[in-house]
Amino acid sequence: QKEVEQDPGPLSVPEGAIVSLNCTYSNSAFQYFMWYRQYSRKGPELLMYTYSSGNKEDGRFTAQVDKSSKYISLFIRDSQPSDSATYLCAMSAQGAQKLVFGQGTRLTINP
Amino acid sequence: EAGVTQSPTHLIKTRGQQATLRCSPISGHTSVYWYQQALGLGLQFLLWYDEGEERNRGNFPPRFSGRQFPNYSSELNVNALELEDSALYLCASSLLRGGDTQYFGPGTRLTVL
Repeated sequence: QKEVEQDPGPLSVPEGAIVSLNCTYSNSAFQYFMWYRQYSRKGPELLMYTYSSGNKEDGRFTAQVDKSSKYISLFIRDSQPSDSATYLCAMSAQGAQKLVFGQGTRLTINP
Repeated sequence: EAGVTQSPTHLIKTRGQQATLRCSPISGHTSVYWYQQALGLGLQFLLWYDEGEERNRGNFPPRFSGRQFPNYSSELNVNALELEDSALYLCASSLLRGGDTQYFGPGTRLTVL
């Protein structure tokens, strides 16, 4: 079993829809949770960074962490075609140096 | 502020050869990380360098090695290339030693024929 599980999709939604992306994990030591966006043939771009449990909002993006369920989510409101990309969740333990990534979800927003 | 830069963009090698990939971190960042993104396997941690020393490595054979220079730039070397080494190699940097906010470069796409 992988430490981090993420549905690879693909996920296709119409423009303006609310998108929900999720990851589950097995390592209870994970304390730091991130979402990266990766466009085709580009490096991952940091979108959201959350420490421990709770919600964080940045514009149209909201990240949620539920440590009791070992479950994290990214919500995208008013989705735009420019949001079409692969979304990667990543996490790390306190004091750890490496990020453990999910497989990534390929998202397409249709105009 | 310039981001993480990597060179070359693409690299084509044959089996058994050696590949050298280069990375320059964001100015002021001292930690450099290397990841491999192979098709179907996702991003996997390779190596972490800080202050010129290798601090941690992932589950990769010793033919994956590298170094960090006094200006904090880094080099990844892959010896005795195998077909399955074909992947996008990503470099990331962070401000704090072992800090968790890592910023990635565009990657080097290595193709082994």
